[in-house]
Amino acid sequence: DQQVKQNSPSLSVQEGRISILNCDYTNSMFDYFLWYKKYPAEGPTFLISISSIKDKNEDGRFTVFLNKSAKHLSLHIVPSQPGDSAVYFCAASDWTGGFKTIFGAGTRLFVKA
Amino acid sequence: DAGITQSPRHKVTETGTPVTLRCHQTENHRYMYWYRQDPGHGLRLIHYSYGVKDTDKGEVSDGYSVSRSKTEDFLLTLESATSSQTSVYFCAISEEEGVGTGELFFGEGSRLTVL
Repeated sequence: DQQVKQNSPSLSVQEGRISILNCDYTNSMFDYFLWYKKYPAEGPTFLISISSIKDKNEDGRFTVFLNKSAKHLSLHIVPSQPGDSAVYFCAASDWTGGFKTIFGAGTRLFVKA
Repeated sequence: DAGITQSPRHKVTETGTPVTLRCHQTENHRYMYWYRQDPGHGLRLIHYSYGVKDTDKGEVSDGYSVSRSKTEDFLLTLESATSSQTSVYFCAISEEEGVGTGELFFGEGSRLTVL
């Protein structure tokens, strides 16, 4: 049973437009929600996070929204740039003696120039 | 960049042989993790460590063992490799609770092919 779900395997967006990546989770005990970005042949890198007590966090072009009642979060990238083309993993973290982080399957974003 | 080194970066082995992947960190972080990445599954936690000689299982631990004899090193061992263990393996580290937001710092990955 997948605790973190990214239902869109891929997304294609025109440069300059908004990219919206979605994620759903099932476990209400998660404390932090994070987005990671991954380029081919590299390890994932942390992008942005939000704690369970907030509903929005913004960092430059990246904004994460959390809807706890719907168990849903989304990542908005505005404006999208070709360098944003990567796989984005949604993740949820539960602190129980270590940040045991559960990842979604990922969404591959293509930003067309 | 977090100082995390994985070795080997690539390995091809045969079914039934033992394999050990090494993760070395220079950040002195207490927590270390091993994940595997497979298409359609994202990253799945195999084992993690919360200190020297302190380890616990993740969601896909069958067929894997780990050891941590020093803060900086976390070893992942496949006692008898199977084709289903063909994957890309990532080591990650994190800081203490209350520091940061639980973010993980990843190594560059080790690609393992079991024939």
